Amino acid sequence: DVKVTQSSRYLVKRTGEKVFLECVQDMDHENMFWYRQDPGLGLRLIYFSYDVKMKEKGDIPEGYSVSREKKERFSLILESASTNQTSMYLCASSFTSGSTDTQYFGPGTRLTVL
Amino acid sequence: GQSLEQPSEVTAVEGAIVQINCTYQTSGFYGLSWYQQHDGGAPTFLSYNALDGLEETGRFSSFLSRSDSYGYLLLQELQMKDSASYFCAVSLYSGAGSYQLTFGKGTKLSVIP
Repeated sequence: DVKVTQSSRYLVKRTGEKVFLECVQDMDHENMFWYRQDPGLGLRLIYFSYDVKMKEKGDIPEGYSVSREKKERFSLILESASTNQTSMYLCASSFTSGSTDTQYFGPGTRLTVL
Repeated sequence: GQSLEQPSEVTAVEGAIVQINCTYQTSGFYGLSWYQQHDGGAPTFLSYNALDGLEETGRFSSFLSRSDSYGYLLLQELQMKDSASYFCAVSLYSGAGSYQLTFGKGTKLSVIP
């Protein structure tokens, strides 16, 4: 079974803090993704990576950065956390099969910024 | 840009059939996926349609009409455990042989006795 793990289930930070969210997958997937999920807005793509040291902006990259130094690990960084970044953050990994990538999600990190 | 529309909520009776529709507007469309998410859980993959027609997986079926930019998820013999949110997502080519998904806002399905 594919396993995607995230470093924390719950996290509370203060405005202005630098926040690191870690994601690790164990299936040698090339692609990894970071989403945030807010009520009524669905899943919105922040950043993704299709190879080590490669990154691409998603739909809402502002205020975030990412790092992928190893294939299995993809980190999301909030340089200076703000209250509007309070959200559920979901990491996913995928392999490409045909014309789509089946994505496997981690359990999520619920981040609260005070 | 891309946009997907799906109903926000649907309620159905246990044992019945329910259909969740999804319409989309996008460029570079490759296919339509469906994901299920239980409260407090992670989204999990249900099905994918690249071509027009119906795909069946057990009690779940998914349909796509590319000419109408429309798809649906059909759940039969509903069970209480099917109560969850269901997301449609379009596959878009992101380069380097990989694809990204753009998700709809989700449909919350409530199954009642």
